[in-house]
Amino acid sequence: AQRVTQPEKLLSVFKGAPVELKCNYSYSGSPELFWYVQYSRQRLQLLLRHISRESIKGFTADLNKGETSFHLKKPFAQEEDSAMYYCAPGMDQAGTALIFGKGTTLSVSS
Amino acid sequence: DAMVIQNPRYQVTQFGKPVTLSCSQTLNHNVMYWYQQKSSQAPKLLFHYYDKDFNNEADTPDNFQSRRPNTSFCFLDIRSPGLGDAAMYLCATSRDSYHPMPSESEQYFGPGTRLTVT
Repeated sequence: AQRVTQPEKLLSVFKGAPVELKCNYSYSGSPELFWYVQYSRQRLQLLLRHISRESIKGFTADLNKGETSFHLKKPFAQEEDSAMYYCAPGMDQAGTALIFGKGTTLSVSS
Repeated sequence: DAMVIQNPRYQVTQFGKPVTLSCSQTLNHNVMYWYQQKSSQAPKLLFHYYDKDFNNEADTPDNFQSRRPNTSFCFLDIRSPGLGDAAMYLCATSRDSYHPMPSESEQYFGPGTRLTVT
C-alpha cells in the first residue's frame, strides 16, 4: 500500500519566512501524490498534485524519487497560509486504502 | 455550486441510537468515500464505493455500514453509536480510483458532518 509520512506535527514561522512542509513516501511503482489543505472551518480541499507541477497560492512541491520525498514549499509565508496540510497518495493499482499523512499544522504569525 | 453535499452539518445522537449521515454529489463521479476525522487527527478512510462495488477497510468497525442506492447518494449508517464515534465524518468523491491521470483520482470533499454522541 502507498504510505506517506509527515514528520512534523506543527510548523511555526513568521510572516515572510520560507516554509517547507515535509512529506516522505514509501511504496513501489510510480507514486501519485497530492497535497490537501484544510483551513479553519473549511472543507478539505486539494492544494496541488505532483503530476501537474503547478504552483497554487505560491506553493510548489517537487517529487524527488531519490529521496522519496514530496515536500511542500513556499518562499514567503503569509498569515492566511495558516492551516492543516495533508500529504496523500492516490489510490494504487490494487485499489488499496488511501492513507493520509498525519498532517502538519502550519502557523504563520506576524 | 456545492458539488459534494453533506446533511446534516451537525448531528447529535444518543448513545446506542442508530444514526444515518448522508452525502450527495453533483459531479457524477464513480467513487464515493467516507472518512472519519477525530479532533487533531488525519482523516481515516472507513470505506469507499466504486460504482456499486463496496470496499471496506479492514479496521473499520462492524458498527459502521454504508449504502449507495444510486450514483449521486451515499449513506453512512452507525448502528449503535458509542462515545468514541463522536467525530467529523467526511464524504468525498473522485471520478476514478486508480488511474494513470492523477486528476481522475483527485478527491472532492464535502464540508463534513460533525457527530456528537450524548
